[in-house]
Amino acid sequence: DVKVTQSSRYLVKRTGEKVFLECVQDMDHENMFWYRQDPGLGLRLIYFSYDVKMKEKGDIPEGYSVSREKKERFSLILESASTNQTSMYLCASSWGDRVIHEQYFGPGTRLTVT
Amino acid sequence: AQSVSQHNHHVILSEAASLELGCNYSYGGTVNLFWYVQYPGQHLQLLLKYFSGDPLVKGIKGFEAEFIKSKFSFNLRKPSVQWSDTAEYFCAVRVNTGFQKLVFGTGTRLLVSP
Repeated sequence: DVKVTQSSRYLVKRTGEKVFLECVQDMDHENMFWYRQDPGLGLRLIYFSYDVKMKEKGDIPEGYSVSREKKERFSLILESASTNQTSMYLCASSWGDRVIHEQYFGPGTRLTVT
Repeated sequence: AQSVSQHNHHVILSEAASLELGCNYSYGGTVNLFWYVQYPGQHLQLLLKYFSGDPLVKGIKGFEAEFIKSKFSFNLRKPSVQWSDTAEYFCAVRVNTGFQKLVFGTGTRLLVSP
């Protein structure tokens, strides 16, 4: 069974703080993704990675950065959190060499920025 | 730009009623389509997917979807819903813009009353 885990289910941070969201998958998947999920907007892709130390911007990368130092771990960084980054953050992984067959999702981190 | 439209944002049904959730996409390349489901408090999980072949695709828990190329649609159906089908449903299209990624619709919240 594929498992994607995220470091926190709930997180509360103050405006201007640096925030790290961690994601780990245990199936040796090449591809990893970060989305944010907002009511009425669905899932929007922030960043993705097809290999270690490789990253690509998604549709809404502004205000975020990522790090992938190991194949199983993909971190999302909010350099200076703002209230409009309050959201549910979902991590996903999939196998395939730059091909998506099916994405497996983590449980999500609900981030509140006050 | 590629997009996915789910016109029904909220659907309320009684148990045993039939379900059809609409999904229309805008993408000019080879189409690969997915339906994901998110039960309350749970991870997003794959319901079914279409890559090629028979346009009528069967998924888990009695769901099916039909790919109609001429209508750019991939509607989700179930002949008789159960209370346990209460969830949010997301349609997605796989696009290739140098790298493959999924573009999700805004989701449909289904409430099944017992």
